[in-house]
Amino acid sequence: GAVVSQHPSRVICKSGTSVKIECRSLDFQATTMFWYRQFPKQSLMLMATSNEGSKATYEQGVEKDKFLINHASLTLSTLTVTSAHPEDSSFYICSATQGITRYTQYFGPGTRLTVL
Amino acid sequence: AQKITQTQPGMFVQEKEAVTLDCTYDTSDQSYGLFWYKQPSSGEMIFLIYQGSYDEQNATEGRYSLNFQKARKSANLVISASQLGDSAMYFCVRGSNYKLTFGKGTLLTVNP
Repeated sequence: GAVVSQHPSRVICKSGTSVKIECRSLDFQATTMFWYRQFPKQSLMLMATSNEGSKATYEQGVEKDKFLINHASLTLSTLTVTSAHPEDSSFYICSATQGITRYTQYFGPGTRLTVL
Repeated sequence: AQKITQTQPGMFVQEKEAVTLDCTYDTSDQSYGLFWYKQPSSGEMIFLIYQGSYDEQNATEGRYSLNFQKARKSANLVISASQLGDSAMYFCVRGSNYKLTFGKGTLLTVNP
């Protein structure tokens, strides 16, 4: 149980285009989903927290107009990187929590974004 | 910022031996959780073990145990009987107010 999927697993796009990444909880309803970014050989940095049906809460320094998050249902959250640039190339990982415990998050497999 | 410190950027261990990965943390919260996650080269984050701040006994999960010393704000991971498949990046993580804060990680290499 507690499986989280992400799609796509890899994406390559041209500079200036927008990319959408989907995060799905497959066998549970996720009250809260989180989006992280991980640069090569670095740790995960929380970008934003999204609750179903409400606006996402962004961490300091994360541009909300650039990284659009939608959490339309209890099983799906999307991250759209708008007008992507090479510096946005990174590994993006989502996680979801059932809300049963305060901290346990189940992670998706990640999406590797490369902006040319 | 409340940091998670992993002082060992890289560790080597012989197969079948035990290894300890160090972690210290800052917190001003009374209630928090401590996790260890494993990230192999494929990138997925694999949950290993959890310790609640009010848990009096150290957590154990199979070959993994967490040496929790609350007063020292230390949460070291012990892996017994290392296997080749244990080679990966290991992250110490603190959970507080529904958010996770990650340490910089320790790259563990298990030698045959």
